[in-house]
Amino acid sequence: NSKVIQTPRYLVKGQGQKAKMRCIPEKGHPVVFWYQQNKNNEFKFLINFQNQEVLQQIDMTEKRFSAECPSNSPCSLEIQSSEAGDSALYLCASSLPTGRQDTQYFGPGTRLLVL
Amino acid sequence: AQSVTQPDARVTVSEGASLQLRCKYSYSGTPYLFWYVQYPRQGLQLLLKYYSGDPVVQGVNGFEAEFSKSNSSFHLRKASVHWSDSAVYFCALNSNAKLTFGKGTKLSVKS
Repeated sequence: NSKVIQTPRYLVKGQGQKAKMRCIPEKGHPVVFWYQQNKNNEFKFLINFQNQEVLQQIDMTEKRFSAECPSNSPCSLEIQSSEAGDSALYLCASSLPTGRQDTQYFGPGTRLLVL
Repeated sequence: AQSVTQPDARVTVSEGASLQLRCKYSYSGTPYLFWYVQYPRQGLQLLLKYYSGDPVVQGVNGFEAEFSKSNSSFHLRKASVHWSDSAVYFCALNSNAKLTFGKGTKLSVKS
């Protein structure tokens, strides 16, 4: 079973409010991923890190999303100004760094509801 | 571009019956394929994965999957389902270190 920890499990925000969620990867896993799963079960890769460095990220043209993985602190994903369309399950996953074959282990997710 | 298709949005089987959930992928490179399961209000749990070698891979809880390069498929099977197998099952392809998911198949097991 995965040991990725995500907090909070549920988050309710009004439109325009900031929404911040955190992730502690499995011990020994330096690579962290964030995905968004919408109500139609469509997954969107958002960003991934190795240690503190961004490896890949989508072109968040609105720049409302930001993420970081500081040393010795949980990783975080923050939405600066929440919109109704941001309501989704945000999944954090971690893995070893050796390549595409490495399994990504997921946390339970943070379910964001934007009213 | 890569893609994963799960053609069956919902599958209902009786407890004790056999199961096959279908997955088709499109990818020009060597596919690294995964099946995950999601129970209500939970994250994704890994069932099994395929990298290379024997096309039939064994997973947890009696699940197995068969990779077919000629058919671009990675179907999930179980010989005898239990009511606790009711969940949503996702097939995923790892391309460039990111996972591309199918839209899932919701499995309902009738007792």
